[in-house]
Amino acid sequence: DTGVSQDPRHKITKRGQNVTFRCDPISEHNRLYWYRQTLGQGPEFLTYFQNEAQLEKSRLLSDRFSAERPKGSFSTLEIQRTEQGDSAMYLCASSPIDKGTSAYNEQFFGPGTRLTVL
Amino acid sequence: RKEVEQDPGPFNVPEGATVAFNCTYSNSASQSFFWYRQDCRKEPKLLMSVYSSGNEDGRFTAQLNRASQYISLLIRDSKLSDSATYLCVVNPNTNAGKSTFGDGTTLTVKP
Repeated sequence: DTGVSQDPRHKITKRGQNVTFRCDPISEHNRLYWYRQTLGQGPEFLTYFQNEAQLEKSRLLSDRFSAERPKGSFSTLEIQRTEQGDSAMYLCASSPIDKGTSAYNEQFFGPGTRLTVL
Repeated sequence: RKEVEQDPGPFNVPEGATVAFNCTYSNSASQSFFWYRQDCRKEPKLLMSVYSSGNEDGRFTAQLNRASQYISLLIRDSKLSDSATYLCVVNPNTNAGKSTFGDGTTLTVKP
């Protein structure tokens, strides 16, 4: 399967614990995005990378959240000192860059990591 | 006010019906627009891009009205398999990474 993969698919943790999620994008895709989605809402942008550079981070993202993409391939999203309000589906997506025009391209989503904070 | 707003529905229609969804956006500088489909407990998938001149893909037609800052999606001859949540997506420019999603409109097509 050459789609976007995420690990783990489910995570249950206690309030105050740290959690880390991993995303493996489609191999030739330069861009990688993280979103958060709660029931009845659309995906909410968290951050995105172009290769290893983190180009934008949502102002809604507190300092407890950090993301990395050290080699421009897979990415990790860490949440420190989790709170019950962090319970959500965390979605990763990737997209290529059209090398000719740098035009926006379709985002391909992974299946998500569902986080439950008790 | 949210940057991208959609009527949440639900829209319940019989098979064969025509149904239309609207989406409004607040950033007048937005440049690229999309409709994504999300099935229950699944990830979003691109349905179609929305071009200024309007575009059609089989039973689906997308329109963009920049003056009024809204996007529409028309589904003709709806099928049971069209039941899903339809997400409107807006980007500030054609090369931006950030995408703003609406909260989606839920469609249920009944036999």
